[in-house]
Amino acid sequence: QVQLVDSGGGLVKPGGSLRLSCEAYGFTFSNYYMTWIRQAPGKGLECLAYIGTTGSAMYFADSVKGRFTISRDNTKNSLYLQMDSLRAEDTAVYYCARYGEHFDYWGQGTLVTVSS
Amino acid sequence: QTVVTQEPSLSVSPGGTVTLTCGLSSGSVSTSYYPAWYQQTPGRSPRTLIYNTNTRSSGVPGRFSGSILGNKAALTITGARADDESDYYCVLHMGSGITFGGGTKLTVL
Repeated sequence: QVQLVDSGGGLVKPGGSLRLSCEAYGFTFSNYYMTWIRQAPGKGLECLAYIGTTGSAMYFADSVKGRFTISRDNTKNSLYLQMDSLRAEDTAVYYCARYGEHFDYWGQGTLVTVSS
Repeated sequence: QTVVTQEPSLSVSPGGTVTLTCGLSSGSVSTSYYPAWYQQTPGRSPRTLIYNTNTRSSGVPGRFSGSILGNKAALTITGARADDESDYYCVLHMGSGITFGGGTKLTVL
């Protein structure tokens, strides 16, 4: 069955970097747009970035533009989010999600905490 | 910047009907925004209820329905149950990207 497994979260100091990964199982990964969505503690959802099937068509929310990079490796069925210049307000649970006509499958989320 | 608006909180009695709405701080929501609705319970990943305005996602019961009401997208729950108590998020496809509303916390009491 379709499964997305998020990993790579943790505690990082302000200004630091972190790379999140999302491994996909149970579907043809290269056929789907993929996205990263985050949720700050007690807050709502924010779509950060999405990437097209071949690695193009990227979008970034203003809040992370210039600091975060989305990429994918279709040979490894994996999605990545490189996060640089992290700020306290980037503290959140980060989810990867598959995008068909909607966000139809989500990972379990990985917690990123930015604190000194 | 246009903001996607939702009621912060609503309540409904068990068995009752409630309508959640999704609007824009400037302008009207239409089917061209491909509105979608997601349900999230604490500690869980969201799941799709409705997409493309009124298409129910696989496995979603018929008591959840989507529509356009006036200048907003709407999610109507008929015959509310205790386990419908959740956070509900709408999503709109806007020229600047895919944008979530702030969410509605629904209480069933």
